[in-house]
Amino acid sequence: DIQMTQSPSTLSASVGDRVTITCRASQSISRWLAWYQQKPGKAPKLLISEASSLRSGVPSRFSGSGFGTEFTLTISGLQPDDFATYYCQQCSSYPYTFGQGTKLEIK
Amino acid sequence: EVQLVESGGTLVQPGGSLRLSCTASGFTFSSYGMNWVRQAPGKGLEWVSIISGSGDVTYYADSVNGRFTISRDNSKNTLFLQMNSLRAEDTAAYYCVRKERVGVAPFDYWGQGTLVTVSS
Repeated sequence: DIQMTQSPSTLSASVGDRVTITCRASQSISRWLAWYQQKPGKAPKLLISEASSLRSGVPSRFSGSGFGTEFTLTISGLQPDDFATYYCQQCSSYPYTFGQGTKLEIK
Repeated sequence: EVQLVESGGTLVQPGGSLRLSCTASGFTFSSYGMNWVRQAPGKGLEWVSIISGSGDVTYYADSVNGRFTISRDNSKNTLFLQMNSLRAEDTAAYYCVRKERVGVAPFDYWGQGTLVTVSS
């Protein structure tokens, strides 16, 4: 199975900050990486697919990059609505494993 | 509008069985692979199982293989998860999730989840 490792596990930031979350795969997954946002008590929401494709309706302050084994999610100009938990997921092969999550907290 | 509505979650004793259902609407159900993803209280996401649009291909996580069975009824736009030999570690919210397309693809629509609690 492909292991996904996210860092950091927790990130404290302020409104307006630029933050980056990293996701590493245990083997190459090409560009088959998705990012999800989850708020307490809610289902995850797909933000980015294929490492860098922003989904319809997702604000442009979100961006993704990477290929192979190293990927990043960047949020430029944090808004109050962005404080949530973020998960990466490899979609290259089953089982479609998730990272352990990064909780983005208000500083 | 795509909607996925799970049901069937409840409190069940260790060793017991439970069947979850997910009713889909707003899209051609038989054209999409469907998944179950779970999340234990306060924990991260764990993919559980997938079934192809036609129902002839299934995969399972090692943690549930041999105990859980995924199935679907395309005539009723419904996805199922039969869970047997339940353990405390199966306690989680179970999400019904659509795979965006055939082949390599992310999960684009999620239900609201149904809670399964395994406890005596």
